[in-house]
Formats: sequence, C-alpha cells, structure tokens
Amino acid sequence: DAGVIQSPRHEVTEMGQEVTLRCKPISGHDYLFWYRQTMMRGLELLIYFNNNVPIDDSGMPEDRFSAKMPNASFSTLKIQPSEPRDSAVYFCASSLGQPGGAFFGQGTRLTVV
Amino acid sequence: GENVEQHPSTLSVQEGDSAVIKCTYSDSASNYFPWYKQELGKGPQLIIDIRSNVGEKKDQRIAVTLNKTAKHFSLHITETQPEDSAVYFCAATIGGGADGLTFGKGTHLIIQP
Repeated sequence: DAGVIQSPRHEVTEMGQEVTLRCKPISGHDYLFWYRQTMMRGLELLIYFNNNVPIDDSGMPEDRFSAKMPNASFSTLKIQPSEPRDSAVYFCASSLGQPGGAFFGQGTRLTVV
Repeated sequence: GENVEQHPSTLSVQEGDSAVIKCTYSDSASNYFPWYKQELGKGPQLIIDIRSNVGEKKDQRIAVTLNKTAKHFSLHITETQPEDSAVYFCAATIGGGADGLTFGKGTHLIIQP
C-alpha cells in the first residue's frame, strides 16, 4: 500500500480564494482524520470520520472550513474564503479501529498571501 | 478535554547515549498512547505505542513506559544514532478512545556526533 496520499503537497493562494485539500486514506482503514500543524499551536485535530460519517468536527476553527468524505477512499478539506492565518501544514491520517495508531500522509503546506 | 504536556522541548545528546522524553496527560479515561517521529518536510510516523493495560513496551532501541496512576508516559531511546535526530511527539486518546488524538508540543531531539 502506498500509504495515505495527500494532494497537493504545496498550495499558495491569495486571501479570499477557495482552497481544497485532498486525501486518499489507506485502503481498508475505517477512520480518517484531518489535522493542522503550526509552530504556535502544534498538531490540532480538526475533524474525523468513521466509515465516511463525520463524527466530531469540534476542532474545525470556523464555518469557513468544511470537510467531506463521499466514499471510503477519498476526503476533502475545503477553506472558503481563505485567510492568511490559515497558513499551516494540513495532515490527513487514517487508522483501522479505535483506539489505533493513525498513519499520516505527507501533508499539504498551505500558504495564504 | 484532554491536555498533553511534553518535556523537554529540545534535547541534545551525544551519539550512543540514551534519550528520554516525558509526557503527562490529564484525562484518566485515555487508554492509548502513541509516539510519533517527524522528520523535516514529512508527516509524523508512528514508531511505538502502548495501551493502558500495559506498563512497558520495547521495540529494539525504543521503549515506552506508562504510569496510569501518575498519568505520565515516557519514550526511551538507547544507543542513539544520527538518524534518530527528529521531532518526537507523544499523544493520548481523547476520552475513552472513540475520538482522535491530542498531541504534545513536540521534542526536538538532536544527536551530536
């Protein structure tokens, strides 16, 4: 298995634009997580899904953030409109069962100018 | 919610010496404690984990100990090598494990040749 795959690896966008981050979890995993990493706040859980259903989105910072998982092999995290303070590395992770070790993707480095 | 404290933030050791990183957590319901290693430009990689019914676990040069009464757990790396240089994160499940992970702020481990 290729592991968790995220795209794009890098994204630079202007303030106010819509940004969509993509994730393909490890095949067979039933949990999918979106994390954000910044120097100031470290790794923060934004939202997670179980069997494609959103379970807890209390970590999503604002209504500008939304996430979907239309099927077991694909998820998106959307920011609309984007702001400079959204600049961070966004990680997708997946795991099998709970509690379980989550496997992380390589991340998407988002820069909003 | 869960709060995970990690110390030290930076640790420099001579190659061949041991390194110890310590974490404390606040939620007594937490029952799973993974450790991640993150190299520059990459996602966190699960290196070892321990569950609440176990006090110690070892995998070659890496070991983790857990004291549930005191709510702290530690990562021990023996015979350190240059490739051990990275940022290490401890984590604990939020609540009883039905949710995601809360991460410590990370320890930058530097192995001096």
